Amino acid sequence: GENVEQHPSTLSVQEGDSAVIKCTYSDSASNYFPWYKQELGKRPQLIIDIRSNVGEKKDQRIAVTLNKTAKHFSLHITETQPEDSAVYFCAASIGGSTLGRLYFGRGTQLTVWP
Amino acid sequence: ETGVTQSPTHLIKTRGQQVTLRCSSQSGHNTVSWYQQALGQGPQFIFQYYREEENGRGNFPPRFSGLQFPNYSSELNVNALELDDSALYLCASSLPLVSYNEQFFGPGTRLTVL
Repeated sequence: GENVEQHPSTLSVQEGDSAVIKCTYSDSASNYFPWYKQELGKRPQLIIDIRSNVGEKKDQRIAVTLNKTAKHFSLHITETQPEDSAVYFCAASIGGSTLGRLYFGRGTQLTVWP
Repeated sequence: ETGVTQSPTHLIKTRGQQVTLRCSSQSGHNTVSWYQQALGQGPQFIFQYYREEENGRGNFPPRFSGLQFPNYSSELNVNALELDDSALYLCASSLPLVSYNEQFFGPGTRLTVL
């Protein structure tokens, strides 16, 4: 089955700096890669996703890059703010299929200091 | 558009008991997936229901079972509870053949087994 590795497990940055979280996956059939943000005691919220036919996607301060050959994808947050503090999860899946289970990484605790 | 809802919010049980958790999918979504999230971990896939049938199962024993109803709401049942079953149980709904595999999570049920 799919194996998703996520690094780092914790990340502390100063407000205004950039944050990068990296994930690798093992199954070349995976073609859909969402990122979720989970605040303490709350549900995971989808913040951005990318499909394998695209190398990069951006939404305001958040961007995701995908390297299919190397089987890795990354989340980039620019101009970080204290409200970005949360646990971030990457996931991999076979999209467009009824077998769309998500395989999650172990999460990254991001802390943004004012 | 109605979001994903779950009940109850919290539950305390003792070892050996049985529990039923409930999930209402987002309006129009025909697929519900259940995940177990232990403290400090990423969500782990339990199983998925697509149009009332189980459609994929993770590495969980048969004492974890489920149902999906004609209105696409779903139940997760766990028999013979063990201490390690203590976790946040999340359901996620999706419409995989239309919107790729975007999955939207409910707020979760926090289960504590004593």
